Amino acid sequence: DAGITQSPRHKVTETGTPVTLRCHQTENHRYMYWYRQDPGHGLRLIHYSYGVKDTDKGEVSDGYSVSRSKTEDFLLTLESATSSQTSVYFCAISVGTSGSKETQYFGPGTRLLVL
Amino acid sequence: DAKTTQPPSMDCAEGRAANLPCNHSTISGNEYVYWYRQIHSQGPQYIIHGLKNNETNEMASLIITEDRKSSTLILPHATLRDTAVYYCIVRFSGGGADGLTFGKGTHLIIQP
Repeated sequence: DAGITQSPRHKVTETGTPVTLRCHQTENHRYMYWYRQDPGHGLRLIHYSYGVKDTDKGEVSDGYSVSRSKTEDFLLTLESATSSQTSVYFCAISVGTSGSKETQYFGPGTRLLVL
Repeated sequence: DAKTTQPPSMDCAEGRAANLPCNHSTISGNEYVYWYRQIHSQGPQYIIHGLKNNETNEMASLIITEDRKSSTLILPHATLRDTAVYYCIVRFSGGGADGLTFGKGTHLIIQP
């Protein structure tokens, strides 16, 4: 499982409330990612990080922000949750730094329901 | 990254070899072929990847055609636990932080 944990694993919240999801890794890998998965869409990249305090947007970043103040933690925040953000969220790390050694490994996921 | 085409679903009998095809006719010379799978409700699991040569690990074998326009993932002795959605992904090998692009994959169902 590449030492990736996500918390919480399940969350139910109400529209308009802030929500923060945490991804934690134990192996000090540089690159970390947040994806969401919805029926009919597969996994889509939200944000990624290439180091402490270095982050960038992915395909579906609107409504999300991220922070990485330590190598091991990558936080995803929904400032004001909406029902369209009901989804399963996966964190991933990239192992290796170049070429064929750069393989992504995924966490177990967080199921978020926004009512 | 080049696009891939996979059949939406396949069946295979338990104990037999499961052969999952993937077309990637627009692949470029510096792009690798990766395979992941996702068992229901779990995070995607890395299986194998390759550039030109065939590859084998403890989970599967990857056969890439000489022109690199298609590949086949082989699970040599499928079990019921191999039932999952399998994704073929083509990805630039130059490193960097870009994410993976997942298509719809192939839903492989292993029949008892």
